[in-house]
Amino acid sequence: QSALTQPPSASGSPGQSVTISCTGTSSDVGGYNSVSWYQQKPGKAPKLMIYEVTKRPSGVPDRFSGSRSGNTASLTVSGLQAEDEADYYCSSFAGSSSWVFGGGTKLTVL
Amino acid sequence: QVQLQESGPRLVKPSETLSLTCTVSGGSISGYYWNWIRQPPGKGLEWIGFVYDRGTTSYNPALKSRVTISEDTSKNQFFLNLTSVTAADTAIYFCAKHKGTAFDPWGQGTLVTVSS
Repeated sequence: QSALTQPPSASGSPGQSVTISCTGTSSDVGGYNSVSWYQQKPGKAPKLMIYEVTKRPSGVPDRFSGSRSGNTASLTVSGLQAEDEADYYCSSFAGSSSWVFGGGTKLTVL
Repeated sequence: QVQLQESGPRLVKPSETLSLTCTVSGGSISGYYWNWIRQPPGKGLEWIGFVYDRGTTSYNPALKSRVTISEDTSKNQFFLNLTSVTAADTAIYFCAKHKGTAFDPWGQGTLVTVSS
C-alpha cells in the first residue's frame, strides 16, 4: 500500500484555473469510484471537497470539480480566489478494507 | 450534526503506548465506520484504521502489528491504542467518520509528542 502521488506545489493567479493531479494504480485510484479530495488550512482539520471522484458536498463552491482518467484523479479549482490557498490531499480506497492518501499539494494563489 | 473530539495524553514516552479517545456527539456511533488518521508535523496524512459495527476493524498494514481500535457504543466513543511508540509516531491524530467512501466530518485533531 503506497501513498498516492501528488505534485508538492501548484499555483495560479486570482481568476485562473488550477488542476492538481493524484496518481495511483489500478488497485486504488483506477479500480474504485472512491477518490476524495480534502482542503486543509493551517492549524485546521481537513475539509471534504470532493467525494466519489466527481461529487461535491453541499456547501462546497461549484468552482471545485473532480475527474479521473485511468489511474490519475484530478481536482480543478476554477476562478481561483485568495481563500483557496491551502494544502490539498487526495484519498482512495485501496482494497482489503484499507485507504490511502496522497502526499499533499500546497496551492498558492499568486 | 455529528461532531468529533479527540482527547488523551499529549506526551508519551518512547516504547510506551499511545492511547486516545474520540467522543462523538450529535449522532450514534452504531452502524457507522469510525477512523483514526494522523499527520506528522509538516507532513501528509496517513490512514491508521477504522472500527465498525461492534468491533469489526481494519488497519493500515504498516501499523497493523502495533494498532488496536475499539469502540464503546454506550459512551458513544471509540479509541486508539498504538504500542511501542517512537519519535516517528509524533503527529496530530485526527478521528473521522466515514461518509460513504470519504472521511467526513473530522475532529479538530490532537498533537501527540513522543519524547522522554
